[in-house]
Order: sequence, then C-alpha cells, then structure tokens
Amino acid sequence: EVQLLDSGGGLVQPGGSLRLSCAASGFTFNSYPMSWVRQAPGKGLEWVSLISGSGGNTYYVDSVKGRFTISRDNSKNTLYLQMNSLRAEDTAVYYCAKDCGGHGDYWGQGTLVTVSS
Amino acid sequence: DIQMTQSPSSLSASVGDRVTFTCRASQDISNYLAWFQQKPGKAPKSLIYAASSLQSGVPSRFSGSGSGTAFTLTISNLQPEDFATYYCQHYNSYPFIFGPGTKVDIK
Repeated sequence: EVQLLDSGGGLVQPGGSLRLSCAASGFTFNSYPMSWVRQAPGKGLEWVSLISGSGGNTYYVDSVKGRFTISRDNSKNTLYLQMNSLRAEDTAVYYCAKDCGGHGDYWGQGTLVTVSS
Repeated sequence: DIQMTQSPSSLSASVGDRVTFTCRASQDISNYLAWFQQKPGKAPKSLIYAASSLQSGVPSRFSGSGSGTAFTLTISNLQPEDFATYYCQHYNSYPFIFGPGTKVDIK
C-alpha cells in the first residue's frame, strides 16, 4: 500500500526557513518523480515543485524560484522541501504527491506552514 | 504559463443527478489533463488522468472527456460521498497549473 507521510510544518516568522519532509513507502521510490502542492487557507490548489526520480531534474513555480529547494534521499525514501525567505503568502497546507506520468496519483495528508510574526 | 479555468465555480445538485462541469486550458494541452476530488480538510484524490482514463478504484460513474483546450468531468448518478470540490490540472508543460475548482453541494 502506497503511503506518504508529510511532516515539518509549523509557525515561522517572515524571512525564516523551514524544511518539510515526506516519508514514502509501498512503492519503488526512486522510480517516480515526486511533487509538492500547496493550498492556502480557503483557496485552491497550487503546484509548487517537482523532482525527477533520480533527483537530477527539478522544476518550480515562479513564485518560489530561488527561495525553495526540492530534494530527495532515495536511500531513505524521503522527499524534502527546503523553504527559505518565507513570506506571509507562503502560508498553506503543503502536500507531497507521487507523480505518475505527470499527475499525482497518491498524496500525503498535508502539513501546515504558517508564516506570521 | 498555461492557465486553466473551470466552470461553473459552484453548483447545487441532488443525489441521483447527472452533473457535468468544464475545464478549459489557455492553449492546446493535448490530453495531459487530470481531475481531482477534494473534501474539506482532506488531501486531494486522483480521479482521472490523460483526460479520460479512470484512476484505479474510482467508481465508473465518474468519466472524463476532451482534448486540446476543452475538457469535461461528468458524474452520473451523484452519490452523497460525491459532494466535494473538483479540480482539473494540466501536466503538458511546467508549471503544472490547477484550475480554480468547482464546488458541488447538496441542493
């Protein structure tokens, strides 16, 4: 059974940093790209970033380029999102998703990031 | 970037109804289109990929169609558990943009 467990969210001040993790199980982790998708309170879904199975290719939405870094440790079956220079508009629930041909077929439960002073 | 729109933004329906809603892309995305269902406080659930392919385990009352720039999601015989928000997403090119969603609630 595919399982994705998001963690690492919390309250952080504007300009601060946070690292999210997503622990994966139930599938061959290094064979699949992985994504992060976020949802601000009361808003729709926003695709944030994707990393290839090997970790060699990464993609970002413009609003996080230069501030967020997606990475993975295939030996630990874990996906990460390093978030720096956080802004109030980054406040959201962040979901990791297993990518299957471009779309997320399995999703984590989400972890809430709140950027506020 | 390719932009996505959905219509209507919300609709009211009854159990047993057939409902259809639309997703449009700002440029040709072939069939690189997925649909997701989300209930309050829960993670999105994949319903359809490649515009019309049903994700494993999804009931057959859900169906998708379309290609290019116009797509539809149809739910036949609406069930109580289907009241939720539905999002489309393209995956033709980065960034993979989601539509703003269609909320289906009980009439």
